[in-house]
Amino acid sequence: AQRVTQPEKLLSVFKGAPVELKCNYSYSGSPELFWYVQYSRQRLQLLLRHISRESIKGFTADLNKGETSFHLKKPFAQEEDSAMYYCALRVQGGSEKLVFGKGMKLTVNP
Amino acid sequence: DTGVSQDPRHKITKRGQNVTFRCDPISEHNRLYWYRQTLGQGPEFLTYFQNEAQLEKSRLLSDRFSAERPKGSFSTLEIQRTEQGDSAMYLCASSHPARGLTYEQYFGPGTRLTVT
Repeated sequence: AQRVTQPEKLLSVFKGAPVELKCNYSYSGSPELFWYVQYSRQRLQLLLRHISRESIKGFTADLNKGETSFHLKKPFAQEEDSAMYYCALRVQGGSEKLVFGKGMKLTVNP
Repeated sequence: DTGVSQDPRHKITKRGQNVTFRCDPISEHNRLYWYRQTLGQGPEFLTYFQNEAQLEKSRLLSDRFSAERPKGSFSTLEIQRTEQGDSAMYLCASSHPARGLTYEQYFGPGTRLTVT
């Protein structure tokens, strides 16, 4: 069965500090991973996907198949990064539904 | 087009009542998803439509739940005989296949259901 685990629920850092939001997955097929973000009073939106290998708002994430991880990193956090972050796995074939982790709340203090 | 919309945004109902939610996807998005999110959890898949056909349902979707997507445009999710355990945020998402790209899902703002 497919599963996404975000081991930490809360992370609080000061502005300018590095952040790493952990995500581990379990999936028998070829994984396709995403990070979604939800800012206060806004809808869930896609932040980045592993297949694009892009950096969005200074965030990057590398898929490590050996460790079954897809950790989200940013070298210098900003106050506007404060939000809920969800790691998600696309189940390929059929509906291509997303399986989400429980999410992590990132707070960046001034 | 302002994205996926959902109505109502909030619904308070008494246990045992029926409720219906509506989702309007982004125009021309042929795929539509319903997810449920409870406190402290990530969204969980409920059901999926491709055009007007409901092609997949989660085991979370008990027989009190029914979803439709007539004409392949908007969708409704009905919960009959609501229970307190149905209290959650109900999210709708839509997507459209694009050549060379993955099926990004765009989410609506959600309908928050409270069953008293």
